[in-house]
Amino acid sequence: DAKTTQPTSMDCAEGRAANLPCNHSTISGNEYVYWYRQIHSQGPQYIIHGLKNNETNEMASLIITEDRKSSTLILPHATLRDTAVYYCIVSSSNSGYALNFGKGTSLLVTP
Amino acid sequence: EAGVAQSPRYKIIEKRQSVAFWCNPISGHATLYWYQQILGQGPKLLIQFQNNGVVDDSQLPKDRFSAERLKGVDSTLKIQPAKLEDSAVYLCASSLVWGHPSTGYTFGSGTRLTVV
Repeated sequence: DAKTTQPTSMDCAEGRAANLPCNHSTISGNEYVYWYRQIHSQGPQYIIHGLKNNETNEMASLIITEDRKSSTLILPHATLRDTAVYYCIVSSSNSGYALNFGKGTSLLVTP
Repeated sequence: EAGVAQSPRYKIIEKRQSVAFWCNPISGHATLYWYQQILGQGPKLLIQFQNNGVVDDSQLPKDRFSAERLKGVDSTLKIQPAKLEDSAVYLCASSLVWGHPSTGYTFGSGTRLTVV
């Protein structure tokens, strides 16, 4: 499965949109993009996933570029409870869609 | 629905001792995963079970780690003997089916192991 690159850390003001980028330039056609987050002392939590099209759910939006080499997770109105490590993962049927986590982006939402 | 249950929550042992962790997945979830998360790193996948069979254990250090999922429900992960570098949080996750792109993982809160 393709590797991903994420910034180590980001800050966001409470109430503003948090835009978390992820680079996956070697992604192949059958690989999905998954986002999970991990709040301190908890297990990771599923946020959203997509293949080609942009996706939205009650938690976030996922924007995938047309060439699929990068994506952005958008938290439209960040709250203090969104402070967490956010993981972007690329996976395919080759691995049974197994989730192999990198180091992720540590997002700090400030008052 | 009840979440993924793990016990114990914390464990402190001396090096060369043995330790076991227990996981009970969400009812009806066929697939179970064990992860190791060292401080400051993302979780590392150790082993995947589909029902009571092993799908992939290529990242499990088999000289000291073992795992089983008898009857395809709950699972135990054992370390024998433990080393200092095994200090980590051990996470269990489950999913409804294996090999489907839209099946999300549900994680437990983990067991924090400290080896002294």
